[in-house]
Amino acid sequence: KAGVTQTPRYLIKTRGQQVTLSCSPISGHRSVSWYQQTPGQGLQFLFEYFSETQRNKGNFPGRFSGRQFSNSRSEMNVSTLELGDSALYLCASSRGIANEQYFGPGTRLTVT
Amino acid sequence: TQLLEQSPQFLSIQEGENLTVYCNSSSVFSSLQWYRQEPGEGPVLLVTVVTGGEVKKLKRLTFQFGDARKDSSLHITAAQPGDTGLYLCAGVQTSYDKVIFGPGTSLSVIP
Repeated sequence: KAGVTQTPRYLIKTRGQQVTLSCSPISGHRSVSWYQQTPGQGLQFLFEYFSETQRNKGNFPGRFSGRQFSNSRSEMNVSTLELGDSALYLCASSRGIANEQYFGPGTRLTVT
Repeated sequence: TQLLEQSPQFLSIQEGENLTVYCNSSSVFSSLQWYRQEPGEGPVLLVTVVTGGEVKKLKRLTFQFGDARKDSSLHITAAQPGDTGLYLCAGVQTSYDKVIFGPGTSLSVIP
């Protein structure tokens, strides 16, 4: 089975811009979770989608949003980028909500 | 509030040494997962422990779930440079449909 794929792997953006990250889960997995990882804050939960519905949300501002499509693929969007948004964004898929997580390689976002 | 704590935060040891890392909480979990993350990659699931007191072995790695399902430990025997990475524990609270990650233990095994 193919693993979780994330695109792009690396991204450089300027403050104030917006960005969209994409995640394709493992075939048959219906849940997709997004995490932000930084050296200072560790792995921070953003949100989880299951069957195209957001089921859980972390403590992030409304600039962070996401969606899931009928084929379980997911996108997350960050608007009005700030320097502090520079991080590794990880997507994880699982069979169901709060199940074992299978992570993609991440998207490294740098905001200048 | 950090629901899951991991200790130590950093660990640097020589190849061949043994080590134990800990994952602690005041909350009860339905199960607990351990992941290892190598630089530039996403975390990889190592094991899931479900029953209080459960012990699972994965080659040189031994995982234990506390009797009260609030804590867990990971013991590595004869560490190798390939064990280097960030070890994350994650507690599952099925009543809240949540997976909560700890801050991780960064392990460096020096040849």
